[in-house]
Amino acid sequence: SQKIEQNSEALNIQEGKTATLTCNYTNYSPAYLQWYRQDPGRGPVFLLLIRENEKEKRKERLKVTFDTTLKQSLFHITASQPADSATYLCALDIKGYQKVTFGTGTKLQVIP
Amino acid sequence: GAVVSQHPSRVICKSGTSVKIECRSLDFQATTMFWYRQFPKQSLMLMATSNEGSKATYEQGVEKDKFLINHASLTLSTLTVTSAHPEDSSFYICSARDFDEQYFGPGTRLTVT
Repeated sequence: SQKIEQNSEALNIQEGKTATLTCNYTNYSPAYLQWYRQDPGRGPVFLLLIRENEKEKRKERLKVTFDTTLKQSLFHITASQPADSATYLCALDIKGYQKVTFGTGTKLQVIP
Repeated sequence: GAVVSQHPSRVICKSGTSVKIECRSLDFQATTMFWYRQFPKQSLMLMATSNEGSKATYEQGVEKDKFLINHASLTLSTLTVTSAHPEDSSFYICSARDFDEQYFGPGTRLTVT
């Protein structure tokens, strides 16, 4: 069956450190993968998109890698801040379909 | 990035009544919009894909007669929850594609009493 799993439900990290979140998928052939941030009671906010032919994408303190052989994406937040505390969702855009399927989410807590 | 709005942000209704939620793409046109539902501490579940000018495509297990979707224009899609029951209480979120990227509305909290 098709699955998208994010490494842990919750991740606590000290302020200033790099947070690394993992997204693993099985039985999908994604055209691209997207990362979102979601705060409680709010809709997801788009952060980054990485295509299947791209290895890495950066935006300010964010970095995403995409390994289609391992079927894995890593999402890094460098110099993490308490304001980065939120739930982060990965989402796959499946080839041939115009819809996005979400992972389970990781709740990140950055401790001052 | 592109902006998607949703209205209302919160609604409380009595069991048996219908509720309409609007989703608008504010600065781009969207031929396709999506409706998601999210239960507490769970991820987003796709309910249906809304296509401008044609019928919506519903995911397996979603009752099309209960969740009516209308995509009247390139910037507006509506979701109507008909004959709402307490188990329909949830967080409903719409989204729209702007080329490859998908943007989400702020969500609507529906409570059915």
